[in-house]
Amino acid sequence: EAGVAQSPRYKIIEKRQSVAFWCNPISGHATLYWYQQILGQGPKLLIQFQNNGVVDDSQLPKDRFSAERLKGVDSTLKIQPAKLEDSAVYLCASSFRGPDTGELFFGEGSRLTVL
Amino acid sequence: KQEVTQIPAALSVPEGENLVLNCSFTDSAIYNLQWFRQDPGKGLTSLLLIQSSQREQTSGRLNASLDKSSGRSTLYIAASQPGDSATYLCAVSPRGGTSYGKLTFGQGTILTVHP
Repeated sequence: EAGVAQSPRYKIIEKRQSVAFWCNPISGHATLYWYQQILGQGPKLLIQFQNNGVVDDSQLPKDRFSAERLKGVDSTLKIQPAKLEDSAVYLCASSFRGPDTGELFFGEGSRLTVL
Repeated sequence: KQEVTQIPAALSVPEGENLVLNCSFTDSAIYNLQWFRQDPGKGLTSLLLIQSSQREQTSGRLNASLDKSSGRSTLYIAASQPGDSATYLCAVSPRGGTSYGKLTFGQGTILTVHP
């Protein structure tokens, strides 16, 4: 079974530029998450989708971050304009609450460096 | 607000030792607790998931326990190997509706196993 796919794996941009990350969840997983992991810290949830609807975006900096999940499958996370403090790994995860385990499966992440 | 703490922050042991990683959380109203492994530059790999009604889970040389009333979990690794070297992250999921994916992570324990 294919895992969660993310691209690009690495991106270097200058501050005030824009960047977009793409995620394809595990087939059949209705719930998709974007987490931000700053170096030396645990990941922090940015946004959660259930199918193509937003469940929780309370920690998403909406003045510069946006995310969408068209057709309830793939998702894109965009940052515009980027700041130095946005340097982090952006992790996409998906889950299928079948037997109510709530287990999350993570992708390899997209590492962003803002100069 | 849920807070998760992991002790120790780093651990270095010789190959073959049994070891224990600790995780504590402040709010006992959890849905489940997951232990993850993260290799450098990689995403998170789920190791064990313990539902709030369970006391422990085992997978191979790994055993995780959960004491919800005291807000503690331990990850026991038997007969450690150099390939176990990684960062180990503990995360708790809140009870209620669709919030189970809003994991709160600890900062992780960096484990190094010497040959």
